[in-house]
Amino acid sequence: EVQLVESGGGLVQPGGSLRLSCSAPGFTFNDITIHWVRQAPGKGPEYVAVLRNDGHTALYADSVRGRFSISRDNSKNTLSLQMRSLRPEDTAVYYCVKARGNSAAFDLWGQGTGVIVSS
Amino acid sequence: EIVMTQSPATLSVSPGERVTLACRASQSVGRNLAWYQQIPGQAPSLLIYGASSRATGIPARFSGSGSGTEFTLTINSLQSEDFAIYFCQQYNNWPPYSFGQGTKLEIK
Repeated sequence: EVQLVESGGGLVQPGGSLRLSCSAPGFTFNDITIHWVRQAPGKGPEYVAVLRNDGHTALYADSVRGRFSISRDNSKNTLSLQMRSLRPEDTAVYYCVKARGNSAAFDLWGQGTGVIVSS
Repeated sequence: EIVMTQSPATLSVSPGERVTLACRASQSVGRNLAWYQQIPGQAPSLLIYGASSRATGIPARFSGSGSGTEFTLTINSLQSEDFAIYFCQQYNNWPPYSFGQGTKLEIK
């Protein structure tokens, strides 16, 4: 069964760091584009970042650019989101999501991992 | 950034009814518009892409229409499992691929 599995969430103090991981068992990682989307409590989803298939081109939402970085380990079929200088407004459930074909309609979502930024 | 506005925020309807949800983009997104359903406690799931194409396994009672800046999601003959939150998302313009704030369907 194809699926996406996130891990690494937790409670962190403002200014701290956290590294999220997304594994994709059942996929050949090179063949798909995985994005990160987050959802704060009671809010709509918010797009965070993507690493394009070339493995080099990363795009970030303005709200996280310069603080978050995305990377991929094809040998482990894992995508990582390194989050630094975390703020309370980064509190959310973070999902890794698969795009449908060449579009950015997301046809597969992981179960999400929760991040709470609080002192 | 393109702002997606959904209306209404909450809709109270009875099972068996037909309902139409609206989504407006602050500028044209062509037909690069998706709809998602989210049951509380779960991740969103794709219903519609390309403004009107149903995703795999989505029942025919769900239909999408529109282009440019105005879009609708219609659900015919509401079933109990359809009471959820619905989000629209544009994927025409980066940055970023923006979502609406959602419409909650609740049982009247």
